[in-house]
Amino acid sequence: DQQVKQNSPSLSVQEGRISILNCDYTNSMFDYFLWYKKYPAEGPTFLISISSIKDKNEDGRFTVFLNKSAKHLSLHIVPSQPGDSAVYFCAASPNLYNQGGKLIFGQGTELSVKP
Amino acid sequence: DTGVSQNPRHKITKRGQNVTFRCDPISEHNRLYWYRQTLGQGPEFLTYFQNEAQLEKSRLLSDRFSAERPKGSFSTLEIQRTEQGDSAMYLCASGLQGGAMPLHFGNGTRLTVT
Repeated sequence: DQQVKQNSPSLSVQEGRISILNCDYTNSMFDYFLWYKKYPAEGPTFLISISSIKDKNEDGRFTVFLNKSAKHLSLHIVPSQPGDSAVYFCAASPNLYNQGGKLIFGQGTELSVKP
Repeated sequence: DTGVSQNPRHKITKRGQNVTFRCDPISEHNRLYWYRQTLGQGPEFLTYFQNEAQLEKSRLLSDRFSAERPKGSFSTLEIQRTEQGDSAMYLCASGLQGGAMPLHFGNGTRLTVT
């Protein structure tokens, strides 16, 4: 069963515009959510995270929104840059402190930012 | 370089052979994780260690797979009698117990079983 889902395999955006990547989850026990970025031939790199007690977290051009009632989170990148082109993974942790800190990943969304 | 290091980067082996991968985590991290990623999928959890103790294993980790972290530092993942379905990227990550910190990943070992 896929507990974390990213339903859009790919997304294409013009440079300077907003990129919105979406993620849905099914397990209400998840209490910490992260976004990772992955370039080809490299491991995933941490981008931004959010605790379930918040509904928004911002870091520079990146903002993550969490809607617990809908079990949905999104990553906004504004403005998008060509260097943002990568695969983005949403990940969730079932009780970060007591469950070993393991992460459950979505399938990923490949973002392409065109100049 | 103080990141997570994995060796080798690539491994090609024939079906039925044994392979072993190594992971060196960030030195101050006491938790170490192994993940597997196949094409078009996100990383899937295999197992994790806290110091030298292996605390959880996924049902994905068949009897042919064994992981060790003998002194609580580096870890090895061995696959015995490899099958073509084992072809994947094997990722190692490390993190700190009890902290709301992200896991830090290595660049992975790409295994191809022919």
